[in-house]
Amino acid sequence: DTGVSQDPRHKITKRGQNVTFRCDPISEHNRLYWYRQTLGQGPEFLTYFQNEAQLEKSRLLSDRFSAERPKGSFSTLEIQRTEQGDSAMYLCASSSPAGGNTGELFFGEGSRLTVL
Amino acid sequence: KNEVEQSPQNLTAQEGEFITINCSYSVGISALHWLQQHPGGGIVSLFMLSSGKKKHGRLIATINIQEKHSSLHITASHPRDSAVYICAVSGGTSYGKLTFGQGTILTVHP
Repeated sequence: DTGVSQDPRHKITKRGQNVTFRCDPISEHNRLYWYRQTLGQGPEFLTYFQNEAQLEKSRLLSDRFSAERPKGSFSTLEIQRTEQGDSAMYLCASSSPAGGNTGELFFGEGSRLTVL
Repeated sequence: KNEVEQSPQNLTAQEGEFITINCSYSVGISALHWLQQHPGGGIVSLFMLSSGKKKHGRLIATINIQEKHSSLHITASHPRDSAVYICAVSGGTSYGKLTFGQGTILTVHP
């Protein structure tokens, strides 16, 4: 397994368009997280899945944002009607359950979104 | 005031110097993470600790739970250590829901 992968790595879109990002976590990890990072800032939590269940969503995640993890494996993050303020790096991370190698996060390389 | 504060925000060093980055937090935590981020975005987990001290190669991380403070030390720094170092904390049972500091930009000159 090569770690957490994200696709696409870069996306340039026009304001108002919809975009979708995909994250493939490490295969045995049941926890998956989405974070957003703007330039010069630390990442901010967006949402968290345990298996297919979305257990928590940040208030940063407006109605235009939706995330899914339909089979408890890969996840998608969709942004509808993009705005320039959505421009950021979208980071995905996964981890294994508590116990054993507990809680260490493995991050993907991120998907950079630029909204023109 | 942010829940996680790092200092310094920027750090420049000469190769070989001993480096310390500090992190203070104001909330109860279950674990503290030190992460490294290189230009282009990828984040790598360096340490996750809830007490005491951990060492990996030239990197040492310590945490003082009572004082709500952690430090990351780099011994014999090298230009390849140049990166952003981020402190993040997690609470409760959701180990991965992290609250991040703003990061420390480290530049090590040869």
